[in-house]
This record gives sequence, structure tokens and C-alpha cells, in this order.
Amino acid sequence: AQKVTQAQTEISVVEKEDVTLDCVYETRDTTYYLFWYKQPPSGELVFLIRRNSFDEQNEISGRYSWNFQKSTSSFNFTITASQVVDSAVYFCASSYNFNKFYFGSGTKLNVKP
Amino acid sequence: SQTIHQWPATLVQPVGSPLSLECTVEGTSNPNLYWYRQAAGRGLQLLFYSVGIGQISSEVPQNLSASRPQDRQFILSSKKLLLSDSGFYLCAWSVPGRAETQYFGPGTRLLVL
Repeated sequence: AQKVTQAQTEISVVEKEDVTLDCVYETRDTTYYLFWYKQPPSGELVFLIRRNSFDEQNEISGRYSWNFQKSTSSFNFTITASQVVDSAVYFCASSYNFNKFYFGSGTKLNVKP
Repeated sequence: SQTIHQWPATLVQPVGSPLSLECTVEGTSNPNLYWYRQAAGRGLQLLFYSVGIGQISSEVPQNLSASRPQDRQFILSSKKLLLSDSGFYLCAWSVPGRAETQYFGPGTRLLVL
């Protein structure tokens, strides 16, 4: 079975600070997929990124970057120069088949002006 | 483009009353459909998923049921609500396939009193 752990329950930063959200996954499968979602106060989950287990290249999208390291089973998410609009709950998830996603418990990010 | 709708957005129901939440997807055919529940301040729990009309798989035994009467319609029901059914219900869809990205609807907030 798969398991995703987001040890940080809540993080508070001041605007313009960089912040990293940790995600550790457990799996026995060689092929799997990892995801990050953002849940703003409105509640809808917004898809941010999907990576497969064969692609360890880090990815950058604007102020967002993701660090995938199979050696430590981690898929961490960094927001550079955080903004108030980044305040949300962020979920990491994994999947190895087309039906089941395993979500972490989420990290609530508070960005203060 | 694809869109996913859920209604109602908010619902307050007494214990023992029936429930019907609806989810519809536009702009795609034969999607995989999912129902999740998110208890206050917690992660997502997969309740049901469907790979086709009339095909429902249950993940968690409880007093809820799901149906898929049409290709792009997914309904979550209960005959008698419990207090513990309160939460945020999210519907999601994905393209059929291996660990495809799931895209979420706006959710329904259910409060059982």
C-alpha cells in the first residue's frame, strides 16, 4: 500500500519569504505518480503538478519549484517570494493505478502581509 | 475545455434525513469519476469511484451510496444521514488511464444537525 506523509500541519511566513512544504511517500511499486494540489479557502482543489517515478528532474514554474528525490522518497514543494494569495492548504498525493489516490493530511500555509 | 459542477454548494440537513448530491462533468466522455469526503481540518478520504455507467466501487463501508446513471453524472446518496456524515464532499474526474490527474469540483459543504 502507499502512504503519503506531510509532517508540517501548519506553517506561517511573512510575505516575500521562501517556504518549503515537505512530502514523504511510501510505496513498494516501481512505477508511481506524485501530485501536488492547492486548496484555497473556497475549498476547490487546484491541480499544481504531476510527476512520474522515472522522472527525477526538478521542475520550476514561476515562483513554484518541486524537488523530487527517490533516494529519500520525498517530493518537496518550494514557494519563492511567497505572497498572501499563496495562503491555502497544500496536499501531496501519490498514485500507482488509475483509481486510487493517496493524499497526505495537508499543510496549511499562512502568508502574512 | 472540461468543467465539473457540483450542487448544492451548501446543505444543512437533520439527522435521519435523506441526501442526494450531484456531480456533472462537461467537455469529456467516459471519464473516471470519484467522490471524496474531507472532514473539518483533515485530509481527503476516497468514498467511491466509477469507471463507467452503472459501475461503482466503494472504498469505505458506510451509510452512503453512489450511482452513475449517465456517463457524466455521478450522484452521492444516503437514506438516513448521521452526524458523522458532516463534511466537505468533493467530486473529481479524470481521463481513463493509469494514474491520470484528477480534477476536482467546487465541493458541497454538508452539515448534519
